Amino acid sequence: DAKTTQPPSMDCAEGRAANLPCNHSTISGNEYVYWYRQIHSQGPQYIIHGLKNNETNEMASLIITEDRKSSTLILPHATLRDTAVYYCIVRVVIGSNYKLTFGKGTLLTVNP
Amino acid sequence: DGGITQSPKYLFRKEGQNVTLSCEQNLNHDAMYWYRQDPGQGLRLIYYSQIVNDFQKGDIAEGYSVSREKKESFPLTVTSAQKNPTAFYLCASSIRGGTSPSGANVLTFGAGSRLTVL
Repeated sequence: DAKTTQPPSMDCAEGRAANLPCNHSTISGNEYVYWYRQIHSQGPQYIIHGLKNNETNEMASLIITEDRKSSTLILPHATLRDTAVYYCIVRVVIGSNYKLTFGKGTLLTVNP
Repeated sequence: DGGITQSPKYLFRKEGQNVTLSCEQNLNHDAMYWYRQDPGQGLRLIYYSQIVNDFQKGDIAEGYSVSREKKESFPLTVTSAQKNPTAFYLCASSIRGGTSPSGANVLTFGAGSRLTVL
């Protein structure tokens, strides 16, 4: 199974960049890395995904290492509303089906 | 606007009672999923369905049942056999079902249903 490892918590000052790391050393060559976040007691929200190249959208940037064994989610200018649990996940293929498994993620706390 | 609607948002049940959580999507997505979340924990997959009239057990299916009679609906029943049903339940959907050797598969989540057993 392709699984991910993330630090349980991180702090960031408001207005600064937040860099959230993720290790996915067992990822297979054609699997995407996905990032979601969950604000307390709400459903997770999709942020970004990538395969090999770095990606950027209006919410964040995703940097994937050349060997694809790790990635970093970057929130360029963190705000208080970015305080949430951030999940880095990869797809697990089981026979003819697949699923996305969420670990405990990283609790990012943005401080004023 | 398209999205996923879960109901009810809060639900209380007595021990020994079955309860059904509703999940409806108007995104025209093929695949739908149910996750359970306990305090301070990640999401654990209960059941998923890649296509209408088909579904598979996830990691913690015991004590739960589902049906997928319509593309837009994937209700979850928490039965009396579920030993510890108090939790936050999340429904999600994605465009494609079945195995895809490549291509992204982004999940869209509902707002969740919080079940408390009294």
